[in-house]
This record gives sequence, structure tokens and C-alpha cells, in this order.
Amino acid sequence: QKEVEQDPGPLSVPEGAIVSLNCTYSNSAFQYFMWYRQYSRKGPELLMYTYSSGNKEDGRFTAQVDKSSKYISLFIRDSQPSDSATYLCAMSGGGGGSNYKLTFGKGTLLTVNP
Amino acid sequence: DGGITQSPKYLFRKEGQNVTLSCEQNLNHDAMYWYRQDPGQGLRLIYYSQIVNDFQKGDIAEGYSVSREKKESFPLTVTSAQKNPTAFYLCASSPLTVVSGYTFGSGTRLTVV
Repeated sequence: QKEVEQDPGPLSVPEGAIVSLNCTYSNSAFQYFMWYRQYSRKGPELLMYTYSSGNKEDGRFTAQVDKSSKYISLFIRDSQPSDSATYLCAMSGGGGGSNYKLTFGKGTLLTVNP
Repeated sequence: DGGITQSPKYLFRKEGQNVTLSCEQNLNHDAMYWYRQDPGQGLRLIYYSQIVNDFQKGDIAEGYSVSREKKESFPLTVTSAQKNPTAFYLCASSPLTVVSGYTFGSGTRLTVV
């Protein structure tokens, strides 16, 4: 079983739809959870990060972490064509040793159609 | 502005040649990383470094080499021993505590011709 599983898609939605992107993980030591957005031929950029369980909202984006189920989600409300990108989840145990290193999902390719 | 700079953006290599990809950061980050990205394969870690003059192999280090002579710089050499070097290469940096995550460069697209 891979440490982080992410459905690669592709996912295609109409403009204005609510998008749900998800990752599951197996390592119970993970405490920091992040979502990166990567446009074609660009480097990933950090979109959201959360610590431990709970929700975090930033504009149209909501990140949700359920540590009991080892499941994280990113919701995009009122999706726009400019949201078309690959979304990667990432997580880490944080702290000392090599726990600061991130483990990435493979990414989900999202297309929002006008 | 603080950031991480990769150069060149596009690189062409003839078979049998070594090429070096540049990565420079001015974020004062201790850790730096090199990833390779292929379609459908996600990010695969090649090498990482936590401190000057020290680095560790990642999951796919064969055919690659790195150096870390300065905190700001972490160049990657793709050697002729790398059998399938055509890919998108990403450099990243981070503090040693990862609350803020990684900052990525804009990538180098390497093509073997």
C-alpha cells in the first residue's frame, strides 16, 4: 500500500461546479497536510495547509482533514476555468529527524470548462 | 523578492553527454530537493540536502549527481548513465521544520535529442 493515494483523474467539470479532490494516507504520524496547485509546465505552488484534523477555508477553497479516517479533501466552490490545473496533496510528520520531508500524492488533473 | 530560481527553462542534451541544471534560492532555507516529474508518475525524489556539503539519495538517484557547496545553491547533474533523462525537473527548498511547506522553482524541461 502506498503511503499516499490520490485519484489521478482526469476530472472535468463545468464552470461554477463544486469540486472535491481527495487523498488517503496510511502513516498515522502525518500531522501537516497541504495542497499544491500546479499549472502546466510550471512548478507547484502551495495553496492550502492545515495542521492536524479540522477544516480551513480560504476564499473559494476549503481544506478538510479527518485523521481518524486518514482522509483529506480539498473543495473548490464556484469553480473557474483558471482553476484548471493539477492538484497535489502532500503531508508530513513535521518536527525533527527526517520528518520534515513531504510525501506527495501523484496529483489530480482538473479541467473546468467554460 | 525571495524565491527559488531554476535555469535553464528548456535544455536539450545529446545522448552520452552530461548536463547540469541550476537551482538557486534566496529564502535562507536549509533544505533543498530535486524531483523528477513524468506524466502519470507524480513527483519522484532524486536527491535532497539538509546542510552544506551533505546530501542524501532519494528514490531514483541512479544516473544523477548533486553538490551543495553553498547554502543557496544545489545543482543537479544528469549523467550519461541516466537511461531515460527526458523529463521535467523541479527543485524545491524548505526550512527544516515544514510548517510552511516547500517552495518550488519553475522547473527545467530536459529533452534528449
